[in-house]
Amino acid sequence: GNSVTQMEGPVTLSEEAFLTINCTYTATGYPSLFWYVQYPGEGLQLLLKATKADDKGSNKGFEATYRKETTSFHLEKGSVQVSDSAVYFCALSTLNYGQNFVFGPGTRLSVLP
Amino acid sequence: NAGVTQTPKFQVLKTGQSMTLQCAQDMNHNSMYWYRQDPGMGLRLIYYSASEGTTDKGEVPNGYNVSRLNKREFSLRLESAAPSQTSVYFCASSEMPSGSTDTQYFGPGTRLTVL
Repeated sequence: GNSVTQMEGPVTLSEEAFLTINCTYTATGYPSLFWYVQYPGEGLQLLLKATKADDKGSNKGFEATYRKETTSFHLEKGSVQVSDSAVYFCALSTLNYGQNFVFGPGTRLSVLP
Repeated sequence: NAGVTQTPKFQVLKTGQSMTLQCAQDMNHNSMYWYRQDPGMGLRLIYYSASEGTTDKGEVPNGYNVSRLNKREFSLRLESAAPSQTSVYFCASSEMPSGSTDTQYFGPGTRLTVL
């Protein structure tokens, strides 16, 4: 079946540091890939997505590139802020009806001033 | 625009009690979902509804029932709560059923504790 693996953390960084959160996936067919973010006490929000190989999703300074050859979708940001502290979820979705979304376990990021 | 709303935000139950979690969306979406979130396990799909009048089991349906009351509302019922159902429950909606580029929109969650 489909699955998503991501580094669980927690990840602690200083403000303005470079961020990478690794995500790899296993899927049949050609999935779309997503990063969702969950701020404390809130639901998940879409951060970015990519729908085909080599696509780059970007939003709020975050980027991720859909790499089919390595089945990866790593999240990066060049300079994190305290306000980026949250839990980040990698996810995939396929056209296989009923499969819907498969989420990774989430990575908690803490950014210190 | 409220998006996806859930009630209640917090609930404490005793083993064997029943309760219904409510979810509503105002985006005219066709599909709605119920997930549970447990530490280290991400989100797991309990039930989903691809359209009004239809519901299907997800990955972890045991101990739950759902009702798609109308296009806006999708409720989750625990008939006899167990401590293993202690979790945070999220409702979500999307415009299309299982579209590969579809985005899901999430509610704020219900934190449930079963003693």
